[in-house]
Amino acid sequence: DAGITQSPRHKVTETGTPVTLRCHQTENHRYMYWYRQDPGHGLRLIHYSYGVKDTDKGEVSDGYSVSRSKTEDFLLTLESATSSQTSVYFCAISESPSFNQPQHFGDGTRLSIL
Amino acid sequence: GQQVMQIPQYQHVQEGEDFTTYCNSSTTLSNIQWYKQRPGGHPVFLIQLVKSGEVKKQKRLTFQFGEAKKNSSLHITATQTTDVGTYFCYSGNEKLTFGTGTRLTIIP
Repeated sequence: DAGITQSPRHKVTETGTPVTLRCHQTENHRYMYWYRQDPGHGLRLIHYSYGVKDTDKGEVSDGYSVSRSKTEDFLLTLESATSSQTSVYFCAISESPSFNQPQHFGDGTRLSIL
Repeated sequence: GQQVMQIPQYQHVQEGEDFTTYCNSSTTLSNIQWYKQRPGGHPVFLIQLVKSGEVKKQKRLTFQFGEAKKNSSLHITATQTTDVGTYFCYSGNEKLTFGTGTRLTIIP
């Protein structure tokens, strides 16, 4: 498996609190992605990055922000968590744009907002 | 935006039976990728199809890309319990879009 580490793996927090999820890769891949996975919706893209400090929105970006200050780290922040953001979050990486190259996924973070 | 529809949503089969999942798009796709996610796991890349009418095989799995590049299928011959999971198609034409997936369960 590709060297991708997500942290934390599980988190329970309260509505209104800030939450940051971290994705760390050791593959030196340029592209990184954050997805959320919910029953009946499959995988939906939140944000992605195509280089250090270069990010763009996905289809479900509202309520989320990201930062990438180093090639190896991509952070996802929920500024003020809501119950609708309870989900499983996956980070993925690819060498070049994902429509050309396969994505490799981390093990996921299970986030519960109470 | 581009929609990638995947059917069926669920499929229950007896072990040894065949299984097929379909991915359909309203627009022409440049390519399509297939992923498998085991229960409790993360998606794992299986294959990429690029050419019109392309057919690729991986042991008991057969992947096809339609002639018009608007649909694709994954067929598993003689399913085994190790095939359990959810199968996703993915196309990154304009929007980076995964299909909603087909969840395969197997009755031993």
